[in-house]
Amino acid sequence: DTEVTQTPKHLVMGMTNKKSLKCEQHMGHRAMYWYKQKAKKPPELMFVYSYEKLSINESVPSRFSPECPNSSLLNLHLHALQPEDSALYLCASSQPLQGAEAFFGQGTRLTVV
Amino acid sequence: DAKTTQPPSMDCAEGRAANLPCNHSTISGNEYVYWYRQIHSQGPQYIIHGLKNNETNEMASLIITEDRKSSTLILPHATLRDTAVYYCIVRPPYGQNFVFGPGTRLSVLP
Repeated sequence: DTEVTQTPKHLVMGMTNKKSLKCEQHMGHRAMYWYKQKAKKPPELMFVYSYEKLSINESVPSRFSPECPNSSLLNLHLHALQPEDSALYLCASSQPLQGAEAFFGQGTRLTVV
Repeated sequence: DAKTTQPPSMDCAEGRAANLPCNHSTISGNEYVYWYRQIHSQGPQYIIHGLKNNETNEMASLIITEDRKSSTLILPHATLRDTAVYYCIVRPPYGQNFVFGPGTRLSVLP
């Protein structure tokens, strides 16, 4: 099983709302990633967790708050987003090892209104 | 991180082999080359990766030049479903991130 499951698939939220994106994997991977992808652009790395600890934050605004409650689960908490934050949010997981491949979920399509 | 260069777009006839090049002239000896593809609005799909030797799996073959400065992804018999953006990624040793470049948009034509 190489599945990374992201929920919800689609989300529409207002600029004053608080919402969360969820990502789950059961491959025993100990590294998990959040990416943001705008239309016709490549995915951009946002955060990396390794062994449930935040190891990379690519200078992401604080209105995005990641959380890794256990080795299978990764959340992205959203608060006071702007319309320009509308994008496809992708989660991935891998072993934190040299030469390990990463597997991606199908993403959450977020629209901020 | 080693930078990769790929052509922005390519066409391939259905049933023919698709050969997608990637230049990574600044690659270090212990950096792996990965290939992913992304079909419209879906998550990136892992294809193959390698270090020095050529690799083959059920999806594709990866040919890495002896000096490791470039590689080619080969889809042996392209189908319409192979139309996608293909990304070549060089991952640093013990690196925790996969950094995507612009990729190559492959169009398989009937």
